[in-house]
Formats: sequence, structure tokens, C-alpha cells
Amino acid sequence: GESVGLHLPTLSVQEGDNSIINCAYSNSASDYFIWYKQESGKGPQFIIDIRSNMDKRQGQRVTVLLNKTVKHLSLQIAATQPGDSAVYFCAEGAGNTPLVFGKGTRLSVIA
Amino acid sequence: DAGITQSPRHKVTETGTPVTLRCHQTENHRYMYWYRQDPGHGLRLIHYSYGVKDTDKGEVSDGYSVSRSKTEDFLLTLESATSSQTSVYFCAISDSAGTYEQFFGPGTRLTVL
Repeated sequence: GESVGLHLPTLSVQEGDNSIINCAYSNSASDYFIWYKQESGKGPQFIIDIRSNMDKRQGQRVTVLLNKTVKHLSLQIAATQPGDSAVYFCAEGAGNTPLVFGKGTRLSVIA
Repeated sequence: DAGITQSPRHKVTETGTPVTLRCHQTENHRYMYWYRQDPGHGLRLIHYSYGVKDTDKGEVSDGYSVSRSKTEDFLLTLESATSSQTSVYFCAISDSAGTYEQFFGPGTRLTVL
């Protein structure tokens, strides 16, 4: 598989527990935020997004929280499963400027 | 992969040779992107296109050129490959630049010896 996970922050969680992955963004003008999941050997896949007029959005087993005051984004995964093991990226965007990606966090689920 | 293919999927080449990677989409999205992904660096934007024959540089564009002669195809060329260009290359597409999700292709692993 790809070695994209080298040198990344790692979060280890027990199967069934909730996971929280954090991301600090840099541009106060960003108004669109997105989380991606990347499994070994694959391209990033969309998980959930949120716009700046919201502070919380829920999907299936995932919740994204946005705190614009401190420029912080988090992804919460409920009842983490072994299939959730992957590298997770946040990205921020605004207007016609391409998305800017964070470096990623590796989530490791302990069975 | 949302109608995105990349070719080749794997390539080994020698320093100094030209290399072209192809991204093909069937989604008719306006924007197309090329990224490289290296350990510890995440996804870094090389070039992107906002329409046929309309391209712009990203943060790591040196040593790379791109062309888009058709909506569905976006080519990335390394004119003279170097070992520092050994990486995994991802193509992505989107309807908008910074306000909608990007869909990623499966990636191309390039090794420059």
C-alpha cells in the first residue's frame, strides 16, 4: 500500500469507542470545509462537508463541528469500526480558490 | 471513483526522461486538478484547470506542465523527470474551485530512478 501515513499524527481508538479527529485551519475567509478519508492504496474519498453558516452537520455515524472563532474543525466518528482505519484529511476553501488540504491524521482502530 | 481514471497506474522511469500522466473524466466537471502526495506532506497542488485551455499553477508547479485540450482530459507532463518527482500523483475533479467537494482518481505511482 501507499506510504502516505508516515510521519502523520496517529489516533488509536478501541473498536466501538467514539473517535474525534481535529483540524486547525488557517484562512479566516474560508467558508467551506470538508473531510476526506483515504485508505491505503486508494484516492481520498469524501466523508462530509460543512459551510461557514453552520456549526454542526451530521451524517451517518459522522459529525463535523466547526468553530470559526478559533478556526477549528473536528470530525467525530461514532462507534468506530475496523473499517474506519485510514488517514483522514480536512480541507478548507473559499470562492474560486482551490481547496487547501491539511496533512492528515491516521486513525488506527484496535479490535 | 466518480468517473475518473488515471493512466498509467504505475510507472518506473529514469532520470531525465519525459513522462506524461493522463487523467480522464466522464462527469463533465469544469475543474480538474493534479496533486502529488508524499509522506509528511499531505496533498500538494501542482496545477489545476478551470476550463479547456485554462490552467493555473499550484504550490509545487516547478518541473511540471499541464494541458487541457478537451473537457474530459487533463495531462500532466514531467519534461525531464528527477528523483524528487518520485511520488503518488492524484487527479481530482470538481464543479467549483473552493466551494464544492473534489472527486479523486485512483492515483498513479511514479518512480524515477
